[in-house]
Amino acid sequence: DSGVTQTPKHLITATGQRVTLRCSPRSGDLSVYWYQQSLDQGLQFLIQYYNGEERAKGNILERFSAQQFPDLHSELNLSSLELGDSALYFCASSAREGPGNEQFFGPGTRLTVL
Amino acid sequence: AQKITQTQPGMFVQEKEAVTLDCTYDTSDPSYGLFWYKQPSSGEMIFLIYQGSYDQQNATEGRYSLNFQKARKSANLVISASQLGDSAMYFCAMREGQGDYKLSFGAGTTVTVRA
Repeated sequence: DSGVTQTPKHLITATGQRVTLRCSPRSGDLSVYWYQQSLDQGLQFLIQYYNGEERAKGNILERFSAQQFPDLHSELNLSSLELGDSALYFCASSAREGPGNEQFFGPGTRLTVL
Repeated sequence: AQKITQTQPGMFVQEKEAVTLDCTYDTSDPSYGLFWYKQPSSGEMIFLIYQGSYDQQNATEGRYSLNFQKARKSANLVISASQLGDSAMYFCAMREGQGDYKLSFGAGTTVTVRA
């Protein structure tokens, strides 16, 4: 158990809909990252938040948005969903201690868009 | 350009033998970190080992060791004494810069351990 929690574990929805994925980082970790894993694109960085502020943006579509709340949990909002958005979405938080700042991943949310 | 390249899509290894997974990287940042993650069929991503660009010694964590060749820009993972539970996808990743920064991942290598 990495200590990072994500809900829901599975999500099945239709094209055009909007969903919200939730993540709670490990206790004490200030950084939250969102990644998308799909068969054709592999693992791609979407966005990072640090202590409530957006820190870095990757290949995140305009239809997607995220935020980090004062209690440090984060939500990823996906709207106007398309078939191609079907993927495994990971949240990770990075360790404050140690030289590596290694990222610990949650179990992921598997999104299926029908 | 690809930042992380893993050229072996799949590998088979006999139980109790060692296996080496290749990873090459590309960066102009002098400060970076290299990571390996394991993804079993259940889907979770498990952190295995870390190597910093300034580390003089190769990293080791139990049966995992990282063969870091800086001049060649390679960071191969060696799994010794393979076990059936090692069957999984393995990803090499890089963080450019020091601190809380995103990871760039390779395409992964699937390892299947045979009894």
